[in-house]
Amino acid sequence: GAVVSQHPSWVICKSGTSVKIECRSLDFQATTMFWYRQFPKQSLMLMATSNEGSKATYEQGVEKDKFLINHASLTLSTLTVTSAHPEDSSFYICSARGGRGGDEQFFGPGTRLTVL
Amino acid sequence: DQQVKQNSPSLSVQEGRISILNCDYTNSMFDYFLWYKKYPAEGPTFLISISSIKDKNEDGRFTVFLNKSAKHLSLHIVPSQPGDSAVYFCAASGNTDKLIFGTGTRLQVFP
Repeated sequence: GAVVSQHPSWVICKSGTSVKIECRSLDFQATTMFWYRQFPKQSLMLMATSNEGSKATYEQGVEKDKFLINHASLTLSTLTVTSAHPEDSSFYICSARGGRGGDEQFFGPGTRLTVL
Repeated sequence: DQQVKQNSPSLSVQEGRISILNCDYTNSMFDYFLWYKKYPAEGPTFLISISSIKDKNEDGRFTVFLNKSAKHLSLHIVPSQPGDSAVYFCAASGNTDKLIFGTGTRLQVFP
């Protein structure tokens, strides 16, 4: 139990395009989902926290108009990188919390975004 | 401002020996600590956690020690196995639901 999936696992796009990443909790209802990004050889940095049906809470320094987060249901959250630029290239990881896992966060496998 | 620090970027240990990974934190409001294991291009997987009311938690080959006065925790893996080779992150949380991650330590277990 407590499986979180992400789609796509990797994506390459041209600069200026938008990319949507999906995060799904497969066997539990996630009341809260988190989005992280990780640059090579660096820590996972929390970007935003989203609760189902409400607006996401963004961390300081994260542009909410650039990184659109939608948590429309208890099993799905999406992160859209709008007008992507090469500096947005990173590894994006979501996590989900809820169900029998209580406060524990379960992580997805991550999405590698490369912006050309 | 790095609230959770892992000062050793890498560690190399022989198979069968003990691996000790260290983590320091600065925020005294943290009351829950976790260790995650991460392979390249994958999400972190949970290993073990400890609440601030304890100073030790053990699960199989993994033991986490917490020294609140020193704001220090460590993960002991014994005996170390080649399959333990990965990047290990410590993480901390306080009165919010946010996890603050350290920078990671790459563990290499060689035969």
